[in-house]
Amino acid sequence: AQTVTQSQPEMSVQEAETVTLSCTYDTSESDYYLFWYKQPPSRQMILVIRQEAYKQQNATENRFSVNFQKAAKSFSLKISDSQLGDAAMYFCASFGNEKLTFGTGTRLTIIP
Amino acid sequence: EAQVTQNPRYLITVTGKKLTVTCSQNMNHEYMSWYRQDPGLGLRQIYYSMNVEVTDKGDVPEGYKVSRKEKRNFPLILESPSPNQTSLYFCASSPTRLFGTIYFGEGSWLTVV
Repeated sequence: AQTVTQSQPEMSVQEAETVTLSCTYDTSESDYYLFWYKQPPSRQMILVIRQEAYKQQNATENRFSVNFQKAAKSFSLKISDSQLGDAAMYFCASFGNEKLTFGTGTRLTIIP
Repeated sequence: EAQVTQNPRYLITVTGKKLTVTCSQNMNHEYMSWYRQDPGLGLRQIYYSMNVEVTDKGDVPEGYKVSRKEKRNFPLILESPSPNQTSLYFCASSPTRLFGTIYFGEGSWLTVV
C-alpha cells in the first residue's frame, strides 16, 4: 500500500520570502510519480509540479522547486519569492500501481 | 478546450435516494478516477478505470459503484446514499497510467441529509 504524509497542517510565510512544505511517502513500487497540487479557495485542483521517480534531477517550475530524496522517500516543495496568490491548500501525491494517493494537505498562508 | 466536466456541481439529497454524478472528458484519455475530499483526510480514491469496461476499487469504494461503457464517461453511482457520503467529489482523467498530466473536474459538492 502507498502512504503519503504531510506533517505540517499549516504553514505561513512573509510575502517575498521562501517556504518549504514537507512530504514523505512510502511505496513498494519501483516505478512511480510524485506530484504537488495546489487547491485555492475555489477548490480547483491545480498541478504545481511533477517528478518522475527514475529521474535524479529535481523538478522546477518557475518559483516552485522540489527536493526529491529517493532513498529517504522525501519530496518537499520549495516556494521562492512567495506571493499572495500562493495562499492555498497544498497536497502532495504519489502515483504507483494504478493508484493516486494524496497526503492530508498543508494550508499555506501568505503574510503581506 | 481540454476539460473534465462533472454534474451536478452542487446537490442536496436525502438518505436512500439513488443518485448519479456524471463525469465526462473530451481528451480521449484512457485513465479516469473518482476521489472524495474530506476535512483533514485529503483526497481519497474511490474507483478508477484503466480503459473501457475496466474498473477497479480504490481505497474507499464502499457505498459506490461506477461504470465505464464509453471512453469519455465515468459516472459515479450512489445506490443508497447515507450522511457519511456527504463530501466534495472529484473526477480526474489522464492519458495513460503513467500520468502525463492529470486533469481534474471542478468538483461536486454532495450533501446527504
